[in-house]
Amino acid sequence: DAGVTQTPRHEVAEKGQTIILKCEPVSGHNDLFWYRQTKIQGLELLSYFRSKSLMEDGGAFKDRFKAEMLNSSFSTLKIQPTEPKDSAVYLCASSRGLISNERLFFGHGTKLSVL
Amino acid sequence: GDSVTQTEGQVTVSESKSLIINCTYSATSIAYPNLFWYVRYPGEGLQLLLKVITAGQKGSSRGFEATYNKETTSFHLQKASVQESDSAVYYCALSDLMLSGSFNKLTFGAGTRLAVCP
Repeated sequence: DAGVTQTPRHEVAEKGQTIILKCEPVSGHNDLFWYRQTKIQGLELLSYFRSKSLMEDGGAFKDRFKAEMLNSSFSTLKIQPTEPKDSAVYLCASSRGLISNERLFFGHGTKLSVL
Repeated sequence: GDSVTQTEGQVTVSESKSLIINCTYSATSIAYPNLFWYVRYPGEGLQLLLKVITAGQKGSSRGFEATYNKETTSFHLQKASVQESDSAVYYCALSDLMLSGSFNKLTFGAGTRLAVCP
């Protein structure tokens, strides 16, 4: 189905490396979100785009995390340099963004392990 | 900031028994945020289970119910008789005003894993 697609599903990196996670939202959706999921913190918002414009970034995540949306059908999340504490599942989600309480469609996530 | 607190860790319930997963919330921008339950079944992505946008109303889906209680700021998830297929991780969430003025910023609880035993 044409849901949210995230690649890769798994990523293993060494400390200090640069990694890029990719996301393709549902076609026609205007809003795109990046979340980080850990057992301790749960889901934390990293970035939010509306119509390709960055509306909100994650505050505490600014220094090494950078999300970009070069076109309406593709977004990347770069982590540079990676640290072991970045090990988590990174989720991408999209929604139509037409009304205020719309459901989010989530990808399967990318599980990142930083050694 | 916004916060959502839900039953921690794992809940184990025997098939056909009742279930309640507790959820309480705190929203900083507005008094009555939108409330959601999301679920992740094994091998699948996170998906919406139910939502309620009006205080005092009840949402339901797949036999699950949750009532938006503004007095106790709670949104507990209940089911009268669980099935093995309900085994999943359940997340309570609220949506609040973002800087852009829309409502799409979701704050999630840590998740509760439900294990249903035959």
